[in-house]
Amino acid sequence: QKEVEQNSGPLSVPEGAIASLNCTYSDRGSQSFFWYRQYSGKSPELIMFIYSNGDKEDGRFTAQLNKASQYVSLLIRDSQPSDSATYLCAVNIGRSGGYQKVTFGTGTKLQVIP
Amino acid sequence: DTAVSQTPKYLVTQMGNDKSIKCEQNLGHDTMYWYKQDSKKFLKIMFSYNNKELIINETVPNRFSPKSPDKAHLNLHINSLELGDSAVYFCASSLRQTGGAFFGQGTRLTVV
Repeated sequence: QKEVEQNSGPLSVPEGAIASLNCTYSDRGSQSFFWYRQYSGKSPELIMFIYSNGDKEDGRFTAQLNKASQYVSLLIRDSQPSDSATYLCAVNIGRSGGYQKVTFGTGTKLQVIP
Repeated sequence: DTAVSQTPKYLVTQMGNDKSIKCEQNLGHDTMYWYKQDSKKFLKIMFSYNNKELIINETVPNRFSPKSPDKAHLNLHINSLELGDSAVYFCASSLRQTGGAFFGQGTRLTVV
């Protein structure tokens, strides 16, 4: 089982709709969770992080975390064509000595259709 | 004011050569990383340093040797380059407590 799993997509949504991106992780000890956006040919950009169960909102983005189900999601409201990118889920897995290792999923490609 | 900068951006070299990639961050972070992104876009951690100390060394061939002269710099030296080393290499940094990493622009390495 992969440590962090995402559907590779592409996920196609019409402009103005809500895009829902999902991620599951295998390690119950995981402590913090991140969403990155990566445009083609560019570097990953941190857009959201969440540490506690529940929802966290930032503008059009909402991250949702359910530790019991080992599930984290990203909702993008009012999707724009400029949101078209690959979205990477990353999980910070606790290790001994307090050091942590960030493991990435393979990413979900989002296409917003005008 | 680039937060995480790495050089060079592109690197084309022949098999068997030795090359280095340099990385610097001005964010005041205490942890730096090297990631490799292959042709399938999978981003895999290679090394992590905290305050110049190596804390993560994933199953990377010995031909790859990171060096951190101080906590703002992390370089990657690669010996005897192979075709399979072709990929995009990203440097990143974060605070140990938070883990949210900021990435450099990447170095596209092509071995011919």
